[in-house]
Amino acid sequence: GAVVSQHPSWVICKSGTSVKIECRSLDFQATTMFWYRQFPKQSLMLMATSNEGSKATYEQGVEKDKFLINHASLTLSTLTVTSAHPEDSSFYICSARDLQGRLSGANVLTFGAGSRLTVL
Amino acid sequence: GENVEQHPSTLSVQEGDSAVIKCTYSDSASNYFPWYKQELGKRPQLIIDIRSNVGEKKDQRIAVTLNKTAKHFSLHITETQPEDSAVYFCAARPSTSGTYKYIFGTGTRLKVLA
Repeated sequence: GAVVSQHPSWVICKSGTSVKIECRSLDFQATTMFWYRQFPKQSLMLMATSNEGSKATYEQGVEKDKFLINHASLTLSTLTVTSAHPEDSSFYICSARDLQGRLSGANVLTFGAGSRLTVL
Repeated sequence: GENVEQHPSTLSVQEGDSAVIKCTYSDSASNYFPWYKQELGKRPQLIIDIRSNVGEKKDQRIAVTLNKTAKHFSLHITETQPEDSAVYFCAARPSTSGTYKYIFGTGTRLKVLA
């Protein structure tokens, strides 16, 4: 089936620095990818929809200048947490849909393994 | 917008028993309902899904039922096994979303006791 790779799987950074997380669709093209944030023992909270070649669509309450999203190709979206602070520590997960639905159903979202960010 | 509620938040069952997790949704335009299983520290994996034009779908020990009138859908796991222990998320996709934006439930932590 479809595979989504997310990197890094975990990262520790100092407060005030920026961290970039990559989400790649390995064997399919994805015009749309989604970024979620997951707190311990809680659900997946959609942060933004990443659109290839255009601006991301952010959910209400998510600061677009804080969480920069770039989707420059059909297989790669990046999330940059700028000027990270301890409250940004969380598990960030991306997902993507197989545009042609060949490897999985057209409705199916495939998730990355997640990136655990810890800001000291 | 769409809102998805999921119950219970935690569920413990004896191995071999059945487990049922229920979700309700608010947007009658939603037309696709997947269920994801997330093991500790791992990515969510799709286990079963159902479209709005179907009332029930079964895949071995897992089944999903949908009641469009009541706007609720349920996950049924029969003959539970320890490896079924995980967090399960339901989701709904409004047909108007266009971009396949799913709204997830709050999750159910299932523990199967050996």
